[in-house]
Amino acid sequence: AQTVTQSQPEMSVQEAETVTLSCTYDTSESDYYLFWYKQPPSRQMILVIRQEAYKQQNATENRFSVNFQKAAKSFSLKISDSQLGDAAMYFCAYRSAWANSKLTFGKGITLSVRP
Amino acid sequence: DVKVTQSSRYLVKRTGEKVFLECVQDMDHENMFWYRQDPGLGLRLIYFSYDVKMKEKGDIPEGYSVSREKKERFSLILESASTNQTSMYLCASERSYEQYFGPGTRLTVT
Repeated sequence: AQTVTQSQPEMSVQEAETVTLSCTYDTSESDYYLFWYKQPPSRQMILVIRQEAYKQQNATENRFSVNFQKAAKSFSLKISDSQLGDAAMYFCAYRSAWANSKLTFGKGITLSVRP
Repeated sequence: DVKVTQSSRYLVKRTGEKVFLECVQDMDHENMFWYRQDPGLGLRLIYFSYDVKMKEKGDIPEGYSVSREKKERFSLILESASTNQTSMYLCASERSYEQYFGPGTRLTVT
């Protein structure tokens, strides 16, 4: 079974600085997807970024980028120029490429942004 | 934009009551999911459905059942609510491997 580990329960970053959130996963599959989801306080969970395992290039979405290390089974999220609105819980998630598969989530990390 | 709605944001029920949580999506997605979210435990999958009338158990199905009579609607049923089912319940639908979440229902069982 696949597992996703987010070992840091909380992190803090100064506004305008850069922060990296860590995630590792375990799988025996070669074709899969990895995601970072963001859940602001009392608000809806939204997708931040997605990475296909077959792509070597790291995904980027504006200020958000990932460092995908397939051999090490590591998938970290870098947030550049942190903003107050980035304060949220962030979840790393894994999904097999097989149809009708489920998402496996990490336990999440709470990110606070200091003004 | 994908829209996933849940019938209630907050719900308070008594132990032993039958509880229905409704989820509706408007994008004709095949796959739909029910999770519960608890502090320190992250999101845990209760049930999912990949087609009308089809359902699969997730990681923690005990004490729950589901219904999917129409493609856009996926219901979670607590047959006899218990205090340990007090939690945040999140529904999601999926397109192209990406899940879209509803706003959640915070259920309190007293």
